[in-house]
Amino acid sequence: ETGVTQSPTHLIKTRGQQVTLRCSSQSGHNTVSWYQQALGQGPQFIFQYYREEENGRGNFPPRFSGLQFPNYSSELNVNALELDDSALYLCASSLNRGRGYTFGSGTRLTVV
Amino acid sequence: AQKITQTQPGMFVQEKEAVTLDCTYDTSDQSYGLFWYKQPSSGEMIFLIYQGSYDEQNATEGRYSLNFQKARKSANLVISASQLGDSAMYFCAMKHLETSGSRLTFGEGTQLTVNP
Repeated sequence: ETGVTQSPTHLIKTRGQQVTLRCSSQSGHNTVSWYQQALGQGPQFIFQYYREEENGRGNFPPRFSGLQFPNYSSELNVNALELDDSALYLCASSLNRGRGYTFGSGTRLTVV
Repeated sequence: AQKITQTQPGMFVQEKEAVTLDCTYDTSDQSYGLFWYKQPSSGEMIFLIYQGSYDEQNATEGRYSLNFQKARKSANLVISASQLGDSAMYFCAMKHLETSGSRLTFGEGTQLTVNP
């Protein structure tokens, strides 16, 4: 059984640009959550997708958006990047929004 | 609103000794779950242990045990027989079980260093 895979692992973008981060769920999992982890802090919930629909959102502006595909993989899109968007972005998959979360290793985004 | 507090930014322990990492939480919900995760420098969150709010027994998973004191709203992680590979960041997290959006609320973490 494969775990959660995130790509790319590292990314450098310029302020104002747009970025797309990708996540492949663990086999059999139909729910994907995204978290932002700034340096030295705990992860903050961005949003969750269940069966291709957004199913909960944290305190993040609309320029953070996402998609979940029929194979349950997911994308996180961030428009109009700001310096404060620099962080580790973690994806976690689970089955039926249950308690068994599997996290990926994250994408480290640097905005300059 | 849910809140997790981890008051120990850093902890040190000698190899083979036990260590306790503190976690207190604040919630008005009756049904919730508490998690501990380990995050090595690679970034991945590794699940360690889970305690449900209605579980009567303290959870244990190998060398990890959770000291759950519901009235005090604390869920401390105990690691027995520490190993060098236990050096990492440790996060306590909580999930509200009664809503459909199953977000985890994390604390700020504790950096554990195991000395040889």
